[in-house]
Amino acid sequence: RKEVEQDPGPFNVPEGATVAFNCTYSNSASQSFFWYRQDCRKEPKLLMSVYSSGNEDGRFTAQLNRASQYISLLIRDSKLSDSATYLCVVVYGGSQGNLIFGKGTKLSVKP
Amino acid sequence: NAGVTQTPKFRVLKTGQSMTLLCAQDMNHEYMYWYRQDPGMGLRLIHYSVGEGTTAKGEVPDGYNVSRLKKQNFLLGLESAAPSQTSVYFCASSQDRGVLYNEQFFGPGTRLTVL
Repeated sequence: RKEVEQDPGPFNVPEGATVAFNCTYSNSASQSFFWYRQDCRKEPKLLMSVYSSGNEDGRFTAQLNRASQYISLLIRDSKLSDSATYLCVVVYGGSQGNLIFGKGTKLSVKP
Repeated sequence: NAGVTQTPKFRVLKTGQSMTLLCAQDMNHEYMYWYRQDPGMGLRLIHYSVGEGTTAKGEVPDGYNVSRLKKQNFLLGLESAAPSQTSVYFCASSQDRGVLYNEQFFGPGTRLTVL
């Protein structure tokens, strides 16, 4: 099985902190990458795509390092509402079925 | 738009019983998927469909069957439920924007317990 590995956490941080998650993948043929967010007992929702040049959306920054086969997610100025599990997703291409979810990293932001 | 809906939301089965989970989407998406999510295992793809009348196996298809008779619906069947199929089942759909640009929209999930 192609592997996508994430630190399960939990990451417990105070409001306003900066926190970073990494995700490593095993297959160098991986072609696209995403971060999803999943709230407790809810469905996953797309947070952002990850591009080779890196991309930023407000307080969130995603980076891709193909040489080392990892992607990262940086959250600045953490809010209580950022508390969730963050899922790394790797697409291997070829067909719609070649999409692997990591097990997720749990973030808890405290007042 | 309702997005992706799933019925039922909760179900308890006895070993050997059968049931069908229904997924419906109103976004005219070509692709639909069924996943299961277990503690410590993450989301795993059971079956998927790239269009009406087509289905394909995912990572963990054994014990499940699917049908896509209408574009908007994707059914997941358990013919003879086993305790190992206790899980949360998510349906998802996505537009035909190419394999690499595959934002999936998920339904709220079905919590299934098999006793």
